[in-house]
Amino acid sequence: GEDVEQSLFLSVREGDSSVINCTYTDSSSTYLYWYKQEPGAGLQLLTYIFSNMDMKQDQRLTVLLNKKDKHLSLRIADTQTGDSAIYFCAESMTGGFKTIFGAGTRLFVKA
Amino acid sequence: EAGVTQFPSHSVIEKGQTVTLRCDPISGHDNLYWYRRVMGKEIKFLLHFVKESKQDESGMPNNRFLAERTGGTYSTLKVQPAELEDSGVYFCASSLSNSPSYEQYFGPGTRLTVT
Repeated sequence: GEDVEQSLFLSVREGDSSVINCTYTDSSSTYLYWYKQEPGAGLQLLTYIFSNMDMKQDQRLTVLLNKKDKHLSLRIADTQTGDSAIYFCAESMTGGFKTIFGAGTRLFVKA
Repeated sequence: EAGVTQFPSHSVIEKGQTVTLRCDPISGHDNLYWYRRVMGKEIKFLLHFVKESKQDESGMPNNRFLAERTGGTYSTLKVQPAELEDSGVYFCASSLSNSPSYEQYFGPGTRLTVT
């Protein structure tokens, strides 16, 4: 079946690293995504990783994919107060159109 | 370039009433999606249009929900009659057909409250 699980909350201090974790169930996933939602706004794609990759780095963001354990993580280096938001993990299958989302992890950044 | 817009931003209706949500996708995006997030839970896929055709409507909860995309531009999602469990945030998204990552662009959502 299709299911994406995430922890609901994470609190970090400004300047520390944040690691948001996600597990998914469908081994046929083609793309895995991290979306960010700020208050009152829609979801914004932060980064994505193709299923044949293990890691992707983009400035302060590092995505790690463990296909064996079906585990995806997002690391935010030097977390800032502006990073406070809800982060959604998502997966899509071959063809890419139907996307399955998790419940979102609310990141609190303390100054 | 304008992003995905949704109207209204909020709607409060009574059980049994009808509500119609509207979504205007990014110009040129053939793919349009509707999603729903209920009570802080996961964002659930409702359906996917390619132009004016319904490509996948496997997530539509029941026949009280009707989505249309006449002319392949904007889309409407009608709930008739609304029930309490329909409350939530309804997101619309659009995407290009030839995007290598299938990136979807989301609107801000319509918060629907059924009392």
